[in-house]
Amino acid sequence: EAGVAQSPRYKIIEKRQSVAFWCNPISGHATLYWYQQILGQGPKLLIQFQNNGVVDDSQLPKDRFSAERLKGVDSTLKIQPAKLEDSAVYLCASSFSLSTGELFFGEGSRLTVL
Amino acid sequence: DAKTTQPPSMDCAEGRAANLPCNHSTISGNEYVYWYRQIHSQGPQYIIHGLKNNETNEMASLIITEDRKSSTLILPHATLRDTAVYYCIVRASNTGNQFYFGTGTSLTVIP
Repeated sequence: EAGVAQSPRYKIIEKRQSVAFWCNPISGHATLYWYQQILGQGPKLLIQFQNNGVVDDSQLPKDRFSAERLKGVDSTLKIQPAKLEDSAVYLCASSFSLSTGELFFGEGSRLTVL
Repeated sequence: DAKTTQPPSMDCAEGRAANLPCNHSTISGNEYVYWYRQIHSQGPQYIIHGLKNNETNEMASLIITEDRKSSTLILPHATLRDTAVYYCIVRASNTGNQFYFGTGTSLTVIP
């Protein structure tokens, strides 16, 4: 069974530039999560989708971050414009359903903002 | 916010049991205890979860106290590959509540 796929693995940009991350969850998984993990901290949820609907985006900085899951399968997370403090690993995870507690994570996309 | 308290770091000798504690004194009746671990440069990996009873799988055992205010994750024979950050999380399983990962326990298995 293929795992959660993320790309790119690494991205370096200058502040005020934009960046997009892509995630393809495990086939059949209805719930998709985007987490931000700053060095030395645990992952922090940015947004949670159930199929193509947003369940929780309360911690998403909506002035610069956006995410979509238009067809209820793969998802894109965008940052525009990027700030220095956005340097982090962006992790995508999926689960079979909202109530399922077993999340499957991708390897993450490491963003460095200069 | 994280509802759990874990020691920031622990060491364990290779081949010995690693016992990782977690306090969750405000846990609600419908909240499960989950454990994940994160090996360097990888995404977190699910280990085990439980509600009241002790649980065991191929990776680990989970011991939950009778009052459910604390739990211990046991890796019976730690190997070098078990070196990772271990996160203890409480979450109501019948809702879409998010997982609060906290900062976890950094376990180092020593040869």
